[in-house]
Amino acid sequence: NAGVMQNPRHLVRRRGQEARLRCSPMKGHSHVYWYRQLPEEGLKFMVYLQKENIIDESGMPKERFSAEFPKEGPSILRIQQVVRGDSAAYFCASSQGESPLAEAFFGQGTRLTVV
Amino acid sequence: AQSVSQHNHHVILSEAASLELGCNYSYGGTVNLFWYVQYPGQHLQLLLKYFSGDPLVKGIKGFEAEFIKSKFSFNLRKPSVQWSDTAEYFCAVSSYGNNRLAFGKGNQVVVIP
Repeated sequence: NAGVMQNPRHLVRRRGQEARLRCSPMKGHSHVYWYRQLPEEGLKFMVYLQKENIIDESGMPKERFSAEFPKEGPSILRIQQVVRGDSAAYFCASSQGESPLAEAFFGQGTRLTVV
Repeated sequence: AQSVSQHNHHVILSEAASLELGCNYSYGGTVNLFWYVQYPGQHLQLLLKYFSGDPLVKGIKGFEAEFIKSKFSFNLRKPSVQWSDTAEYFCAVSSYGNNRLAFGKGNQVVVIP
């Protein structure tokens, strides 16, 4: 499916800069999940949002990372003062509901490289 | 928290060979189980899922998986692979009632024509 749109696909930032990753969910989906995939690792859950609410941010690093899903517009994952260890692929998924019966559809990811 | 183990990260096999990918999870409660596939350059796609009922689950493209509760396993199988099955395969688990997924590290499968 091409429904979940992430941009940019590739992002290069210098250490200390800010990275903003965008995710537009599938039409009709109000639940968004962000995952991070470090090299040679599986995807790790970061944060779960519904419109205007952060429901579960248990996977988010405590500092420099934030996420939002405003009433209008895409969900944004923001990383301030990036460091080399932030280099990873960041995936967004959306669903119609929280239940696993509501299939989560994934975007193609944003590959962040910090130089 | 759940953890998911996938072994044999790189798998190379010839067309028509059988494929089996192992997945073990650590979580004592009721779980939902998934296999996702990521073809080169594409997004993650759901291959199959298990919530309850028949532990042998059939998915798309001839794949199936068997849930063995006593072994905490959900292994993926395909009797005869094709070149187009070259992809990365991820096993994932969520706790009952929620959609937050814990993924394994993935299996990179290369099918040689």
